Amino acid sequence: DVKVTQSSRYLVKRTGEKVFLECVQDMDHENMFWYRQDPGLGLRLIYFSYDVKMKEKGDIPEGYSVSREKKERFSLILESASTNQTSMYLCASSLETAGLDTQYFGPGTRLTVL
Amino acid sequence: GQNIDQPTEMTATEGAIVQINCTYQTSGFNGLFWYQQHAGEAPTFLSYNVLDGLEEKGRFSSFLSRSKGYSYLLLKELQMKDSASYLCAVNTNAGKSTFGDGTTLTVKP
Repeated sequence: DVKVTQSSRYLVKRTGEKVFLECVQDMDHENMFWYRQDPGLGLRLIYFSYDVKMKEKGDIPEGYSVSREKKERFSLILESASTNQTSMYLCASSLETAGLDTQYFGPGTRLTVL
Repeated sequence: GQNIDQPTEMTATEGAIVQINCTYQTSGFNGLFWYQQHAGEAPTFLSYNVLDGLEEKGRFSSFLSRSKGYSYLLLKELQMKDSASYLCAVNTNAGKSTFGDGTTLTVKP
């Protein structure tokens, strides 16, 4: 079974802090994704990566950056956290670059920025 | 732009059949996914459609009409554990998926 893990289930940070959210997958998937999920707005793609050291902006990249130094690990960075970044953050991975591929999600990190 | 519409909430009775609709307008289409998400948990894959028609998987079936930009998820013999959000997602040519806001299904005894 594919396993996607995220470093924290719950996180509380203060405005202006730098925040790191870590995601690790154990199935050698090429693709990794970071989403945020908010009530009434659904899942929105922040950044994704098709390969090591490669990243692409999603639909809402502002205020975020990412890092993929190893194939299994994809990190989301909030350079200076703000209250509007309070959200559920979901990491996902998938096998295929093009064509149909199922995404496997981690358990999510609920981030609160005070 | 990308636009995916599905009803916000639905209620059904245990043992019944429920159909959750999804309409989409996207730039690029590579297939349509349905995911199930229980409260406080991550989405999990249910089914996908690439070609027009019905795909059946046990109590769950999914239908696709690409010309109409329309899909539905059919859940039969509803059980209480089927209470969850159901997310419709379109996989675009860029390899990304755009998700709908989800339909919260409540199954009542």
